Amino acid sequence: SQTIHQWPATLVQPVGSPLSLECTVEGTSNPNLYWYRQAAGRGLQLLFYSVGIGQISSEVPQNLSASRPQDRQFILSSKKLLLSDSGFYLCAWRGTTNEKLFFGSGTQLSVL
Amino acid sequence: AQSVTQLGSHVSVSEGALVLLRCNYSSSVPPYLFWYVQYPNQGLQLLLKYTTGATLVKGINGFEAEFKKSETSFHLTKPSAHMSDAAEYFCAVTHTGGFKTIFGAGTRLFVKA
Repeated sequence: SQTIHQWPATLVQPVGSPLSLECTVEGTSNPNLYWYRQAAGRGLQLLFYSVGIGQISSEVPQNLSASRPQDRQFILSSKKLLLSDSGFYLCAWRGTTNEKLFFGSGTQLSVL
Repeated sequence: AQSVTQLGSHVSVSEGALVLLRCNYSSSVPPYLFWYVQYPNQGLQLLLKYTTGATLVKGINGFEAEFKKSETSFHLTKPSAHMSDAAEYFCAVTHTGGFKTIFGAGTRLFVKA
């Protein structure tokens, strides 16, 4: 069966520090991968999606970047965190477009 | 462009009462529509989805939703609320043939004893 792993679960970082959040999927090949951010009262905002290795689409101009170095690995990064980067970050994967998204358990990021 | 509007950021019902969570979407092509539920500090779980065929879809935990193309709506209902239904609910839309899923802002459901 397929599983999705996302870590860490919580993270507290100072303003200006770098960020690396990792997400891996097991039990499937060539998944579509997604990073969402959830801020209080604002629903889920799509940040990045990837349909293959090295292929990244950015949805919102921001301080973050994403990479997909392997088929089932998706990384969210920042060189210098801002206060506004705080939020709950969710990784997700899907096979075909009419299927549901499978979500990881999320990372609560607090930038202080 | 796709968009999703959920009317009411907070909904409060009594245990045993009808649950109605509203969702309207915009899409220039036939959509795939989803409802997800999120419990505190967790990821999202699928409640139900509409892709093609029957417009009334049934999901887990007694929830159902009806796709109404003329009203561009996909409202979520449950005949009788249970305390365990208290959570945040998200409506989402994907274009057929597209890769992006766009979510509404969410509706937090409170269930009173």
